[in-house]
Amino acid sequence: DIQMTQSPSSLSASVGDRVTITCRASQSISNYLNWYQQKPGKAPKLLIYGTWSLQTGVPSRFSGGGSGTDYTLTISSLQPEDYATYYCQQSYGTLWTFGQGTRVE
Amino acid sequence: EMQLVESGGGLVKPGGSLRLSCAASGFTFSRYSINWVRQIPGRGLEWVSSISGDSTHIYYADSVKGRFTISRDNAKNSVFLQMNSLRAEDTAVYYCATSGRSGTMETWGQGTLVPVS
Repeated sequence: DIQMTQSPSSLSASVGDRVTITCRASQSISNYLNWYQQKPGKAPKLLIYGTWSLQTGVPSRFSGGGSGTDYTLTISSLQPEDYATYYCQQSYGTLWTFGQGTRVE
Repeated sequence: EMQLVESGGGLVKPGGSLRLSCAASGFTFSRYSINWVRQIPGRGLEWVSSISGDSTHIYYADSVKGRFTISRDNAKNSVFLQMNSLRAEDTAVYYCATSGRSGTMETWGQGTLVPVS
C-alpha cells in the first residue's frame, strides 16, 4: 500500500497568515492527490483534486501543487472559517490512502 | 442535491457482525462508484472499500479484506457494507461517499458510529 505522510501534524496560525501543508507519498502517485477539509463533528469536504484543481465553490485562497511524491496545500490568507483539520488522499491505483491529517489552530 | 444517508450502526460485541446501509438520492445512482471510509473518533480517515456502479469492480483495504463485503442494489439506490468478525479496532464512524474525478470522494453522508466492545 502507498503510505501518505503529512506534515506538520498540527500548526498554529493567525488570520491572514499564509499556511502550507505538505504531503509525501511512499512512491510516485503521478498527481493523483486530493485534499479535504474536516471540521469537528462533520464529514470531510473535498477542496482540491488532481493536485491543482479547485472543487466547485472552494475559495481561491486554497491552492495545491506538487509532483511525484511531494505535494502541498496552501492557504494564501487564512480566514476564521479555515480553522479545521486537513487531509491528503492518494487515488493512484485501486487502494486509496489518506494522510494522518494536519490540524490548523 | 446529491445526498447520502448511512444507517445500521450500533454497539456490537467483538466477533459479531453488522450490516451498514447507505441510501442515495438526488443523482443517477448507478453511474457512481461508492466508497466506505471510516474514522476512529478523534483520529484520521481510513478508506475501507469501494464498488463501481455496475458492481464489477470491488476493492478493499487490507485491514478489512476477508471480513467485510461491499454490495449495492441500484434498484433501491443503496450500498451495503457487511462487516463480520468485528474487532475493537473496527470501532469508528463509517461514512459512505461518492467517487468523483481523479478518485476523489465528493459527496459524503453524515456517518454512522460503530462501537465494537
